Formats: sequence, structure tokens, C-alpha cells
Amino acid sequence: DAKTTQPNSMESNEEEPVHLPCNHSTISGTDYIHWYRQLPSQGPEYVIHGLTSNVNNRMASLAIAEDRKSSTLILHRATLRDAAVYYCILRDGPYNTDKLIFGTGTRLQVFP
Amino acid sequence: EAQVTQNPRYLITVTGKKLTVTCSQNMNHEYMSWYRQDPGLGLRQIYYSMNVEVTDKGDVPEGYKVSRKEKRNFPLILESPSPNQTSLYFCASSLRGSSSGANVLTFGAGSRLTVL
Repeated sequence: DAKTTQPNSMESNEEEPVHLPCNHSTISGTDYIHWYRQLPSQGPEYVIHGLTSNVNNRMASLAIAEDRKSSTLILHRATLRDAAVYYCILRDGPYNTDKLIFGTGTRLQVFP
Repeated sequence: EAQVTQNPRYLITVTGKKLTVTCSQNMNHEYMSWYRQDPGLGLRQIYYSMNVEVTDKGDVPEGYKVSRKEKRNFPLILESPSPNQTSLYFCASSLRGSSSGANVLTFGAGSRLTVL
């Protein structure tokens, strides 16, 4: 099964950039890397996803290593509302199945 | 508004009393899935469905059943609930499975279930 490894927790100050790492050494060639976050008392929400190239959207940037065995979610300027658990996930299993493994994620604390 | 709706949001029940948690999406999504979330264990997939009448087991399917008779609905059935099924449950959907790369999941708000 394709799995990811993330630090349990990270801290940041408001207005500073945050780099959230994710290791996925067993990623297969067709697996997409997805990031979701879960704010307190809410369901997870989509942040960003990518395959090989770096990606940017209004919420964050995703930097993918050249060998695709790791990736980094970048929040350019952390705000208090970014305090959440961040999950890095891969598609798991053979083509055309969708068994997703979320793991425990990284709890991000943001200080004023 | 595009959304995934779960009901009930909160439920306290007793061991052995059958219950169903409903999940409905209004986005014409093909893929739907159920997860449970427990402290220290993160989100674990229970069942998923690639389309109508197509379902498959996730990581923790024991004690649960699902059905997908219509595209918009994906109920989670606990035939004989036990205390170890006390958890926070999330339903999610996406346009299609990740094999197409378009697997942006939309989650419901969650259903907190307590089995006494």
C-alpha cells in the first residue's frame, strides 16, 4: 500500500511561511499527491494536488521532489485560520481503484 | 450550494440496535466514500463506491455495510452496533476516482456516533 509519513506537529507564527513536509517513498508512477486540511470541528477540506510539477493555487503551493518520493505544502503567510491538521495522501492500489489512506496528518499551530 | 449532507449529525444508541447514517451529494459525483476518525488514528476508510452498484472495502469495513442504489446517496449501515464503533464518521464524494486525477474530495460535516 502506498503510504505517507508526516511530522505529528509543527508550529508557526502569524505572517510567516510554513513548509509542511510529506514523505511517500513507495509512490507509484501514476499516483497523485493530494493535500487536505481539517479545521477544528469540521470535515476535511481540499487544499491542493499535483502529479509531477509544482502547483500553485489561492490557498497554497505544492512542491514535489524530482524523484516524487517527497513533497512539501507551502503556506506563504500563515494566519490563525490556518491552524488545522494537514493530511498528505496518495491514491492507493491498482489503477481504477480508490482506496485512500489518510494517516494521522500534521497538526499546525499558528501563534499571533 | 454544492455539498455533501450527512444525517444525523449526532446520535447516541445502544449496542445491537441497527442504525443508518445517510449521506447525500448534489454534485452528480460518481465516487463516494465513508471514513471514521478516532483519536490518534487519523481518518480511516470504511467503504467506497466508484459508481452506482459498485462498492468496495476500505481499510476498516468490519461491522459496516453500504449500498449505492442511486448516484446521489451512499448510506452507511451498522447492522448491530458495538461500542468500538463509537467514532466520528465522514462521508466524502468526488467527480470520479483518482485514476483520472480529478479526485478532489468534498467532505460532509461529520456524524458523531456513540454506542453504549
